[in-house]
Amino acid sequence: GENVEQHPSTLSVQEGDSAVIKCTYSDSASNYFPWYKQELGKRPQLIIDIRSNVGEKKDQRIAVTLNKTAKHFSLHITETQPEDSAVYFCAAMTSGTYKYIFGTGTRLKVLA
Amino acid sequence: GAGVSQTPSNKVTEKGKYVELRCDPISGHTALYWYRQSLGQGPEFLIYFQGTGAADDSGLPNDRFFAVRPEGSVSTLKIQRTERGDSAVYLCASSLGGAGQETQYFGPGTRLLVL
Repeated sequence: GENVEQHPSTLSVQEGDSAVIKCTYSDSASNYFPWYKQELGKRPQLIIDIRSNVGEKKDQRIAVTLNKTAKHFSLHITETQPEDSAVYFCAAMTSGTYKYIFGTGTRLKVLA
Repeated sequence: GAGVSQTPSNKVTEKGKYVELRCDPISGHTALYWYRQSLGQGPEFLIYFQGTGAADDSGLPNDRFFAVRPEGSVSTLKIQRTERGDSAVYLCASSLGGAGQETQYFGPGTRLLVL
């Protein structure tokens, strides 16, 4: 079945630096890739998503890139701030299904 | 508007007991999903409802788990004969129409602890 791998599992950056989180998916029929941010004890919140007909999408300090050939997508956060500290999950949805397959998460810590 | 809500927020039970977890989706959302999140892991799909019917229950781990959505709104996840391994956060999500490539909005989860 579909599998999503996410790296790194933990990431520490200095405030103002950039952070990059990478995910690889196994099902070439996957066509929708959301990213969620989850703070401790809180619900996952969508921060950005990308569809398979687009290679890159940007929203202020956050961007996502998709390489369909290599079956991987990445989250880029620029000018990181302490409030960006959280666990980030990538997910993939396969065409014809309605379930997300999540990665294992990346714990991002932004050091002030 | 109101987001997805779940009750209870925490549930402690003993091994072998029966539990029910409730989800109230966003008003007007026809698609509803249940996921289970173990400590340090990403959410794992359990079941998807489109309206009143379970369109995909392939993620339910065994026949002790069952979910209903009788009126196409509120859903209840039911776990019989609970085991310690069932301890996790159970997340509910909803989306507008279940047409695929839709944003799923998550509730705060129910933290289940089986002693």
